[in-house]
Amino acid sequence: TQLLEQSPQFLSIQEGENLTVYCNSSSVFSSLQWYRQEPGEGPVLLVTVVTGGEVKKLKRLTFQFGDARKDSSLHITAAQPGDTGLYLCAGDSPYNFNKFYFGSGTKLNVKP
Amino acid sequence: SQTIHQWPATLVQPVGSPLSLECTVEGTSNPNLYWYRQAAGRGLQLLFYSVGIGQISSEVPQNLSASRPQDRQFILSSKKLLLSDSGFYLCAWKGGGGTEAFFGQGTRLTVV
Repeated sequence: TQLLEQSPQFLSIQEGENLTVYCNSSSVFSSLQWYRQEPGEGPVLLVTVVTGGEVKKLKRLTFQFGDARKDSSLHITAAQPGDTGLYLCAGDSPYNFNKFYFGSGTKLNVKP
Repeated sequence: SQTIHQWPATLVQPVGSPLSLECTVEGTSNPNLYWYRQAAGRGLQLLFYSVGIGQISSEVPQNLSASRPQDRQFILSSKKLLLSDSGFYLCAWKGGGGTEAFFGQGTRLTVV
């Protein structure tokens, strides 16, 4: 059983469309992070959300942390081919802060 | 600044052969260190983590082992590789709770 479930698993859209990726858990997290990974490389941090209900914006990317701190979402406005990649949510285990878990991943393909 | 080195980048090994992947971190002391395995287009599966020299925690039973002989060195090993050990292996270091994880470039292991 995955501690962090992401949906959808795959997403293929046209340039200019909007999309939302979800990260859900039955457990409460002190914080959640979002990473983006290119093929053959390690993930790179996009944002960390800490406070329940928090919204953070990074250019066309909007991140939200659920009020109960059990879920998070990533919304991309007017997607571009450069947004293509694997998006991963991650967090320290609520039961052991030394364990750092990743979600199941969302593979995004933005077609020109 | 902190850097993390992981090698080799690619490896092709026959079934039954031993494995040793090495990861070293520079610019930080007493980091938490992690080994992950990733299937294509999917999330990262936590294999091992270490909070200090000689301290190894295993997440899933498997054909692999890990060691931390020095503060900034983390090694992933196997005595006899299986076909199912093929995958993309990533080493990461991290500070305390809620902090960013930094990754090596990864090792693409193919067991033939």
